[in-house]
Amino acid sequence: EVQLVESGGGLVQPGRSMKLSCAASGFTFSSFAMAWVRQAPTKGLEWVASISYDGGNTYYRDSVKGRFTISRDNAKSSLYLQMDSLRSEDTSTYYCAKQLGGFAYWGQGTLVTVSS
Amino acid sequence: NIVMTQSPKSMSISVGDRVTMNCKASQNVYNNIAWYQQKPGQSPKLLVYYASNRYNGVPDRFTGSGYGTDFTLTINSVQAEDAAFYYCQRIYNSPYTFGAGTKLELK
Repeated sequence: EVQLVESGGGLVQPGRSMKLSCAASGFTFSSFAMAWVRQAPTKGLEWVASISYDGGNTYYRDSVKGRFTISRDNAKSSLYLQMDSLRSEDTSTYYCAKQLGGFAYWGQGTLVTVSS
Repeated sequence: NIVMTQSPKSMSISVGDRVTMNCKASQNVYNNIAWYQQKPGQSPKLLVYYASNRYNGVPDRFTGSGYGTDFTLTINSVQAEDAAFYYCQRIYNSPYTFGAGTKLELK
């Protein structure tokens, strides 16, 4: 059974950093591209970043370029999102997702609140 | 960047009705569209990928269609458990933009 479990969320002050993790199991992690998607409270889905199966290619939405870094450790079946210079508008639930055609599997999400 | 526009924003439907919701891309995305269902408090679930391919385990009352810039998700004989938000998304090429969603409510 495919499982994606996010962790690392919480309350952080504006301008500070936070690193999210996603532990994957139930599939060959190293064979699939992965993504982070966020959802602000009562709002819609917003793609944040994606990474190719081997980590060689990364992609970001414009509003996080230069502030967020997506990475992966295939030996640990883990996906990461390093978030720097956080802003109030980054407050969201962050989901990791397995890319296969569409985003075929999603974790349960971890809430990041950026506030002083 | 490509913009995905969904319509209507919301709809109220009776059980057993047929419902159609739309997704329009600002540029040609060929068949690179996915549809998702999200219920309150839950993670999104993939329904359809590459415009018309139903994902594993998705009931056959869900049908995706379209090509180029105009796409449709149809639900035949809506069930009570179909009350949810539905999102379209451009896939295959970055940025993987989502539409703003359509809220489906049951009368």
